[in-house]
Amino acid sequence: GAVVSQHPSWVICKSGTSVKIECRSLDFQATTMFWYRQFPKQSLMLMATSNEGSKATYEQGVEKDKFLINHASLTLSTLTVTSAHPEDSSFYICSARPGLAEVSSTDTQYFGPGTRLTVL
Amino acid sequence: GEDVEQSLFLSVREGDSSVINCTYTDSSSTYLYWYKQEPGAGLQLLTYIFSNMDMKQDQRLTVLLNKKDKHLSLRIADTQTGDSAIYFCAESKNGNTDKLIFGTGTRLQVFP
Repeated sequence: GAVVSQHPSWVICKSGTSVKIECRSLDFQATTMFWYRQFPKQSLMLMATSNEGSKATYEQGVEKDKFLINHASLTLSTLTVTSAHPEDSSFYICSARPGLAEVSSTDTQYFGPGTRLTVL
Repeated sequence: GEDVEQSLFLSVREGDSSVINCTYTDSSSTYLYWYKQEPGAGLQLLTYIFSNMDMKQDQRLTVLLNKKDKHLSLRIADTQTGDSAIYFCAESKNGNTDKLIFGTGTRLQVFP
């Protein structure tokens, strides 16, 4: 249980285009999802917290107009990198926490496999 | 600060025990976690410990917490080649499990 998927697993795009990354909780409902960014050989940095049906909360230094987050349902959150540039190239990882009503509910986050974005 | 620090690299022989260390700064952390990341993959939760515990054991994994020194360790008994990965410790900032502060990661290399 507690499986999180991401799509696509990798994407290459041209500079100036927008890219959408999906994060799904497959066997549980997640009221809260999180988006992280990981640079090569570095740790994960929390970008934003996404709550179903409300606006995302962004961490300091993260441009909310550049990284658009939508959490339209209890099992899906999307991250759109708008007008991507080479410096946006990174490994983007989402995580989800089961809601209180879920059998698997804990205070832990379950992570997706990540999406590698390369902007040319 | 919010630094969570780990040594960068650990190399062990197959069958030996591995000990990965982590120091954190937030004394109000409620939970402390260990995650495993294999190449090109996301993070897999290995185990976590509540801050009022000193030790937690789960099969080959033993977590030790020294809250006074803000030191966390993960011991892997009988290390196998499949244990080769990057291991991250993480603390919950101010006791808020929504805010995980990750360490820099320790790359564990297991050789035959």
